[in-house]
Amino acid sequence: NAGVMQNPRHLVRRRGQEARLRCSPMKGHSHVYWYRQLPEEGLKFMVYLQKENIIDESGMPKERFSAEFPKEGPSILRIQQVVRGDSAAYFCASSEIRDTEAFFGQGTRLTVV
Amino acid sequence: ELKVEQNPLFLSMQEGKNYTIYCNYSTTSDRLYWYRQDPGKSLESLFVLLSNGAVKQEGRLMASLDTKARLSTLHITAAVHDLSATYFCAVSPGGSQGNLIFGKGTKLSVKP
Repeated sequence: NAGVMQNPRHLVRRRGQEARLRCSPMKGHSHVYWYRQLPEEGLKFMVYLQKENIIDESGMPKERFSAEFPKEGPSILRIQQVVRGDSAAYFCASSEIRDTEAFFGQGTRLTVV
Repeated sequence: ELKVEQNPLFLSMQEGKNYTIYCNYSTTSDRLYWYRQDPGKSLESLFVLLSNGAVKQEGRLMASLDTKARLSTLHITAAVHDLSATYFCAVSPGGSQGNLIFGKGTKLSVKP
């Protein structure tokens, strides 16, 4: 059973471009969570999704950031018009149901130049 | 707002020594988690503590939880170089493991 798969592992974007980060949850998991980790910081919760639904987006910036988890395919975290401050590691985690253990992916390290 | 504070943030210790990392949180939470992160890697779950007085041990690491004091500790016994990593504690305000509040992490370096 493959773990949580994120791609790409590393992503470089110029200021103003769009970044798309993908997360395929573990098999059988329908709950996905996205976190952002700035250098030398802990992870900060961004958004919690179930298939086709956003359950909690209290940690998402109001502008430029969006997330989806379609019926088919991976969850996508989309950042429009990236700025230098978006440079961070973005992790997703998945769980089978809400209160069970969540497993983290390897992360996508976004660098905005 | 729930806050999680860890100390120390940096810890350099010699092999064979013992030390404790502290994790304080600001409001009630019924679950506390400890993770390990190696540089450039993901988070590895170490312990999940579910109740007051809970104590769990794995190898040279032991974690405990005091919900009344809102304090968890991660004790390292006879440290070895392989334990060098960053250790995070996290709490779940709503009980779900998904939307966790993390501390800033303790960067542990174990030197020969």
